[in-house]
Amino acid sequence: GENVEQHPSTLSVQEGDSAVIKCTYSDSASNYFPWYKQELGKRPQLIIDIRSNVGEKKDQRIAVTLNKTAKHFSLHITETQPEDSAVYFCAASASYNTDKLIFGTGTRLQVFP
Amino acid sequence: DSGVTQTPKHLITATGQRVTLRCSPRSGDLSVYWYQQSLDQGLQFLIQYYNGEERAKGNILERFSAQQFPDLHSELNLSSLELGDSALYFCASSISNEQFFGPGTRLTVL
Repeated sequence: GENVEQHPSTLSVQEGDSAVIKCTYSDSASNYFPWYKQELGKRPQLIIDIRSNVGEKKDQRIAVTLNKTAKHFSLHITETQPEDSAVYFCAASASYNTDKLIFGTGTRLQVFP
Repeated sequence: DSGVTQTPKHLITATGQRVTLRCSPRSGDLSVYWYQQSLDQGLQFLIQYYNGEERAKGNILERFSAQQFPDLHSELNLSSLELGDSALYFCASSISNEQFFGPGTRLTVL
């Protein structure tokens, strides 16, 4: 069935360092891969996404890479800041008749000043 | 603010009861999705409606049902509530792939 695995479950970095979160999906028909940031008690917020016809996308300090052959995609955050501390979720969807999102289990990122 | 609204913010009820959660999508969005977030299960897709029609079902219990009305708002009905139904319930809306989440309803079943 559809499954998205996410690693690591927790990640602690020093302010200014880079952080990388990795996801693997099972459904080869998946073609849309968003990343969400969720602060405690708040809604998941879309921070970046990538579609299957693109290998990499960048938005300021965040970037996402996609390897369709290996069914891997990753989130890269550079020059981390304390306000980057949150739980990050990857997700995958395939547009058969629905674009429901299958989420990874989340990564708790802590950025220490 | 994503433009998606949900009411109520918090709901405390007892086992065996029935509750209704409400979601209003962003203006122009035809799709509404419901997700459940509990501590040990992460974000789980429940059900999707598109322009009033059910489009996809996920791991939604038979005790749960949903509908989308002509004005595109959606309601999620949870009945015969159990302790394990305590969770955050989010709805999201989209017009393309990008889904924007509402603030959620925190349901506590005592």
